[in-house]
Amino acid sequence: EAGVAQSPRYKIIEKRQSVAFWCNPISGHATLYWYQQILGQGPKLLIQFQNNGVVDDSQLPKDRFSAERLKGVDSTLKIQPAKLEDSAVYLCASTKDVDEQFFGPGTRLTVL
Amino acid sequence: DQQVKQNSPSLSVQEGRISILNCDYTNSMFDYFLWYKKYPAEGPTFLISISSIKDKNEDGRFTVFLNKSAKHLSLHIVPSQPGDSAVYFCAAGDSNSGYALNFGKGTSLLVTP
Repeated sequence: EAGVAQSPRYKIIEKRQSVAFWCNPISGHATLYWYQQILGQGPKLLIQFQNNGVVDDSQLPKDRFSAERLKGVDSTLKIQPAKLEDSAVYLCASTKDVDEQFFGPGTRLTVL
Repeated sequence: DQQVKQNSPSLSVQEGRISILNCDYTNSMFDYFLWYKKYPAEGPTFLISISSIKDKNEDGRFTVFLNKSAKHLSLHIVPSQPGDSAVYFCAAGDSNSGYALNFGKGTSLLVTP
């Protein structure tokens, strides 16, 4: 079974630029999560999807971050415009059941 | 507001001995708890979980203990192996809030030969 795929793996941009990350969850997994992990911290939830609907986006900075999961499968997370403090690893996870979440390798974003 | 706390940033243990990683939480609504292991440049991988109706769950060398009254859980690894060297994250969730996970900051475990 293929795992959660994410791309790109690394991205370097300058502040005020835009960036987008892509996630392909495990086949059949209805729930998809985006987490932000700042260096030295644990992952922090940004947004949770159930199929193509948003379950929780209370911690998403909506003035600059947006996410979509149009067909209930792949998802994209966008930052526009980026700030220095957005430098982090962005993790995508998916789950079929209520217990274990499967994580992708993450996208490491550096904002200069 | 950190609802899941791992107060030991690092731990060093000799191969063959027991590793004990601790985690505290503040939200009494959390009803399931997980431990994830993370290697550099990889995403976290699931290790073991426990629901609030249990106080112990065992899987091979890994055992998780839950003390609900103290809002404390721990992960025991016996015997520890060099390949266990990684960052371990404690996570907790509330089944009434979509099962999104709240993570601690992690404990870096080093198992020395």
